[in-house]
Amino acid sequence: QVQLVESGGGVVQPGRSLRLSCAASGFVFSSYGIHWVRQAPGKGLEWVAVISYDGSNRYSADFVKGRLTISRDNSRNTAYLQMNRLRPEDTAVYYCAKDQTIFGALIPGNWGQGTLVTVSS
Amino acid sequence: EIVMTQSPATLSVSPGERATLSCRASQSVSSNLAWYQQKPGQAPRLLIYGASTRATGIPGRFSGSGSGTEFTLTISSLQSEDFAVYYCQQYNKWPPENTFGQGTKLEIK
Repeated sequence: QVQLVESGGGVVQPGRSLRLSCAASGFVFSSYGIHWVRQAPGKGLEWVAVISYDGSNRYSADFVKGRLTISRDNSRNTAYLQMNRLRPEDTAVYYCAKDQTIFGALIPGNWGQGTLVTVSS
Repeated sequence: EIVMTQSPATLSVSPGERATLSCRASQSVSSNLAWYQQKPGQAPRLLIYGASTRATGIPGRFSGSGSGTEFTLTISSLQSEDFAVYYCQQYNKWPPENTFGQGTKLEIK
C-alpha cells in the first residue's frame, strides 16, 4: 500500500537550516507529484510547496519563497524540503503528500504522518 | 488570489443525523474542489475530489456537491468516527497556492 514517511524534523534555532525527507513506497514514485503541507500547532492546513513527477516544475508559497526549496530524487523514491533561515513562525508539523492523479500536481492524495519542526532559541 | 471560506466554524450534530458543511470560493474554481478529514493527532485524509468524486475507500455516506463558488460536503448518517475537522481545498490552477479553507470542526451534540 501507499506509504509516505517524513523525517528530519526537530528543534532548531532561528536562522538555521533543516532538510526534511519524504520516503515513499507502494506506488510508482516517479509518476506522481509531491506536495508539502504544514500545520502550525492548533491551526489549519497551509500548503507550502509542490514538485511535479519529474522534477521539471516546482513551486513554493510566497511566504516561504527564497527560504524553502523542494526537490526529489526519483532513483531513491524520496522527496526533500530544504528549509533555510528558519523563523519561529515556521514551527509546524510538515506533511508530505502524493498527488491524487498520475502525473498530477494539484491534489494532495495520500499523506504521511508528518514531522514536527520547532524553531526556537 | 482565491480565498476559501468554510462555514460554520463548528457544527454540533448528534450521531445518526445528517451533517452539512459549506465551503465558498471568492471566485469560481469550477469543480476543482477537494474535501479532507483530519482527526486529532492524525494526518489529513482525502475524502472527495472533483467536488463530488469519493476517494478510494471512502464510505458512501460522504458526498460532495457544488460547482463554481459554492460547495457542500454532506455526511448522511453520522458515525462516531466522523467527528473531526474538515477542510476544503481548491486546485483550479497551478500552482495550488492559498488553497485550503480554515476548517469546520464537527463535534458531537
